[in-house]
Amino acid sequence: KNEVEQSPQNLTAQEGEFITINCSYSVGISALHWLQQHPGGGIVSLFMLSSGKKKHGRLIATINIQEKHSSLHITASHPRDSAVYICAVRMNYGGSQGNLIFGKGTKLSVKP
Amino acid sequence: DAGVTQSPTHLIKTRGQQVTLRCSPISGHKSVSWYQQVLGQGPQFIFQYYEKEERGRGNFPDRFSARQFPNYSSELNVNALLLGDSALYLCASSLDAVTTDTQYFGPGTRLTVL
Repeated sequence: KNEVEQSPQNLTAQEGEFITINCSYSVGISALHWLQQHPGGGIVSLFMLSSGKKKHGRLIATINIQEKHSSLHITASHPRDSAVYICAVRMNYGGSQGNLIFGKGTKLSVKP
Repeated sequence: DAGVTQSPTHLIKTRGQQVTLRCSPISGHKSVSWYQQVLGQGPQFIFQYYEKEERGRGNFPDRFSARQFPNYSSELNVNALLLGDSALYLCASSLDAVTTDTQYFGPGTRLTVL
């Protein structure tokens, strides 16, 4: 079982729709990251969360530490939001301490 | 300010060859991490270096090695290349090595092994 699970794997939406991407993890973490990866590979860090909720423009990220779950929401989606969204966690113990464990990503396609 | 830079952007090698990938962190960042991303998968942690010392290592064979230089730039070396080493190799830098740091990713080097 992967330590970080994302759903859905693929998501197609119409422009303007509200989008939710979910991330569940099974280990104790010190932080959770939401990342955006465009075709060609470059990764941009969207949010880093350790509790609560963060908002940046049309993007909102929430985390529930007790339930080991995070969501990324996109309001008023636009075709330029099309990308792969990756959830990554930083464990707070063990050999991977200080570095990230990634989910497999959610491929979002927003149609005009 | 320049972000994380990586070179080369693309590379084609044959099985058994050796490859060196390079990464320059954001100015002032002392920690560099390397990740391998196979097509269709999320990145996997290979190494972290901080102040020229290895701080963490993922589950990769000894064919993979890295180092960090006094200017905090880093090289990732892979020996005896296998077809399965074909991937996007990502470098990320952060100010320090603490768990609360945000990592900033470079554009990656796409390695193809034939």
